[in-house]
Parts: sequence; structure tokens; C-alpha cells
Amino acid sequence: SQTIHQWPATLVQPVGSPLSLECTVEGTSNPNLYWYRQAAGRGLQLLFYSVGIGQISSEVPQNLSASRPQDRQFILSSKKLLLSDSGFYLCACLEQGSYNEQFFGPGTRLTVL
Amino acid sequence: LAKTTQPISMDSYEGQEVNITCSHNNIATNDYITWYQQFPSQGPRFIIQGYKTKVTNEVASLFIPADRKSSTLSLPRVSLSDTAVYYCLVGRDTGRRALTFGSGTRLQVQP
Repeated sequence: SQTIHQWPATLVQPVGSPLSLECTVEGTSNPNLYWYRQAAGRGLQLLFYSVGIGQISSEVPQNLSASRPQDRQFILSSKKLLLSDSGFYLCACLEQGSYNEQFFGPGTRLTVL
Repeated sequence: LAKTTQPISMDSYEGQEVNITCSHNNIATNDYITWYQQFPSQGPRFIIQGYKTKVTNEVASLFIPADRKSSTLSLPRVSLSDTAVYYCLVGRDTGRRALTFGSGTRLQVQP
């Protein structure tokens, strides 16, 4: 079964600073990969998804970007963080041929001050 | 993706059976119904998935009526550790679209 690693687990960054969150996946090949953000007490908001290396689709226009340099690596970035970027960031993967059963990583708690 | 409606919160006591109903009136023919569970500061975890009638696994049961416009997640004999948010999703991820998580149902189990 898949294992998803995310780091860092927690992060505190000042407004205007850059961001790089990394997600790596083990146990599967050519998965669909996703970045979600969850504000406190809220549901999950899909930010980006990728169906292959270099293929990124953005769901919400914002100051964040994503990249997939390798099959099982997904990176979330920002050049300048905003206060509103604070939240719980989750990486998820979906095996090819699987319907709806996404596996989620442990998440990164980002606080922008 | 079909829109879903589920209660914002529910309360229960240990040992009781809990049923969480989700409405999805616009479900499409090819859509599956999937439930996830999320504990605080963790990612959601897949619980159960079904297409029609009844599905049961070691964690829960999923009841889907013939018209498939709703579904009910049944948790037998809940414990304190079942306190979590439960999400109902309807769709079929082809890779070109991802799942849309609503606000879910916050289940609080009391001793």
C-alpha cells in the first residue's frame, strides 16, 4: 500500500517569506497527486492536482504554485506568503485505476505571522 | 461532481450505533459514494465505498437505497475514538478531476 511523506510537519513563517513543502509517495507508480489546504474547523480545499510529471492543474487562483519534478514527488511553493496562507496542508495520492480512494499524508501545519 | 448535504454535527454515547445520512440528489450513473474519516491534525482516512445496496467492512456499513439519492454510514457500537469528522463524497475520479470535500459531519462520542 501507499505511504505518503510530508515535511516539514510544522512551520512558522513570516509574511512575505518563501515557502516550499514537499510530498513524496512510496508503494505506487504514476499516481495522481493532490495538494489540499484545510483552515481550522473547515473542510478541505483542493489547491492543485497532477496526473503526471510536469502536469499541474490549479483549482484556486492564488499566490501558491506546485511542481512535480519526479513521478512520486510533489512540491508546493510560494514566493511570498500571506497571512491567509496559514492552514493545514495535505498531500494525497490516488492509484491509477482506483476510484475515489485517496490516501493522505500526515500534513504540514503552516502558521504565517 | 454531485453536491452532497450532510448534518454539521452529531452527538452519541459509547456503545450506541450511529447513522450519518448524506443526501446527493444529483448523483450520476457512474458515481460511487465514498466516506472518509478525519481526526484532528491528521489527513482523512478512507472508510468505505459503495455503488448500490449495502456494503459492509470491518469498520462500518454503507446503506444505499435504490434511487441512490442518499446514503447512510452506519457505525456500530461507537467508542470515544470514533470522535471525528466524517465526509461523504460522490463522484468518480478519473484523474482529470479531484474529489470535493464538503464540511463533513462532526461526530462527538460521549462516555
